Amino acid sequence: GAVVSQHPSWVICKSGTSVKIECRSLDFQATTMFWYRQFPKQSLMLMATSNEGSKATYEQGVEKDKFLINHASLTLSTLTVTSAHPEDSSFYICSARENTGGAQYFGPGTRLTVL
Amino acid sequence: GQNIDQPTEMTATEGAIVQINCTYQTSGFNGLFWYQQHAGEAPTFLSYNVLDGLEEKGRFSSFLSRSKGYSYLLLKELQMKDSASYLCAVNSGYSTLTFGKGTMLLVSP
Repeated sequence: GAVVSQHPSWVICKSGTSVKIECRSLDFQATTMFWYRQFPKQSLMLMATSNEGSKATYEQGVEKDKFLINHASLTLSTLTVTSAHPEDSSFYICSARENTGGAQYFGPGTRLTVL
Repeated sequence: GQNIDQPTEMTATEGAIVQINCTYQTSGFNGLFWYQQHAGEAPTFLSYNVLDGLEEKGRFSSFLSRSKGYSYLLLKELQMKDSASYLCAVNSGYSTLTFGKGTMLLVSP
């Protein structure tokens, strides 16, 4: 149980384009999901907290107009990187928190490369 | 502020036991997590402690002392595949997790 999927697992795009990443909790409901970014050899950095039915909460320094988050249902959150640039190239990981408990489970991650 | 400390690197031999310590100072506490992360992959959940004491799950055990702000992850019968980064993370009460920088464990034959 407690499986979180992400799609796509990797994406390469041109500078200036937008990329959408989906995060799904497959066998549990998650009112709250989280989006992280991880650069090579660095720790996870929380970007934003995604709440079903309400606006996301962004961490300091994360541009909400650039990283659009939509938590459409109790099992789906999406992150759209708008007008992507090479410095946005990173490993993006979502996690979902079980409504019934405190554990958070991570998706497999999406590796974004912006050319 | 939130502060989580864990050693940067550890080495151990296959078949041995290793303990990875984590100390934390956070504004609140609603549970401590341990995750394993292999290079290039997302973290995988290992354990969750919210009450004091030892939680055992197969070869992995996790201990928590809330009064001391201290936890450890104990790995027994080490295998080569256990070489990974181990992340200590604290839920300070607002659902979000604060992560330590991770402990890179290298298991040698």
